[in-house]
Amino acid sequence: NAGVTQTPKFQVLKTGQSMTLQCAQDMNHNSMYWYRQDPGMGLRLIYYSASEGTTDKGEVPNGYNVSRLNKREFSLRLESAAPSQTSVYFCASSAGILGGYGYTFGSGTRLTVV
Amino acid sequence: AQTVTQSQPEMSVQEAETVTLSCTYDTSESNYYLFWYKQPPSRQMILVIRQEAYKQQNATENRFSVNFQKAAKSFSLKISDSQLGDTAMYFCAFMKPAAGNMLTFGGGTRLMVKP
Repeated sequence: NAGVTQTPKFQVLKTGQSMTLQCAQDMNHNSMYWYRQDPGMGLRLIYYSASEGTTDKGEVPNGYNVSRLNKREFSLRLESAAPSQTSVYFCASSAGILGGYGYTFGSGTRLTVV
Repeated sequence: AQTVTQSQPEMSVQEAETVTLSCTYDTSESNYYLFWYKQPPSRQMILVIRQEAYKQQNATENRFSVNFQKAAKSFSLKISDSQLGDTAMYFCAFMKPAAGNMLTFGGGTRLMVKP
């Protein structure tokens, strides 16, 4: 099915370990996003990529890096995981040309840092 | 920066009844978009309804409708004939058209539909 694919779905890390969350979309969307979801705080934007070749910080970028590998793929990297990064992570994409269109979301990654 | 507030952390409704979820936002923009997303226990984010700020007519999608009050910066979601499958977290979100078209989300309302 067309959409946004995130891997992995679950991950447990030890403090200080690194990992990369992968995201790919097959809808030819221009813009891609990484959000984290914490209880009572909704979804907060970590990084986004308005178009291939560009990335920008969102509301909570500290401790993360991203790569827009090509138009389809947008990865999120935690270089040195901390317990505060325990969260559910969502990747999303949108056509992003004229604005006003909703996002298509991946199914999320539940990350626990111990 | 835009902020979105959902003042009802939890709500419940009997099956077949009507419920309204509240959302307020703060912006100095005149052109923007508003959304309601549903997140069932499966964790998937599902777009429920979308409103364009320059349109006075309230959006409707089957049993879901909104009451958009631009001057009051209010955007409530009404669910009619509630069904058990409507049990979910509901998020209100704001988008200012710009490079990237980022969504700003409220904290969410957990809705329980009771049989």
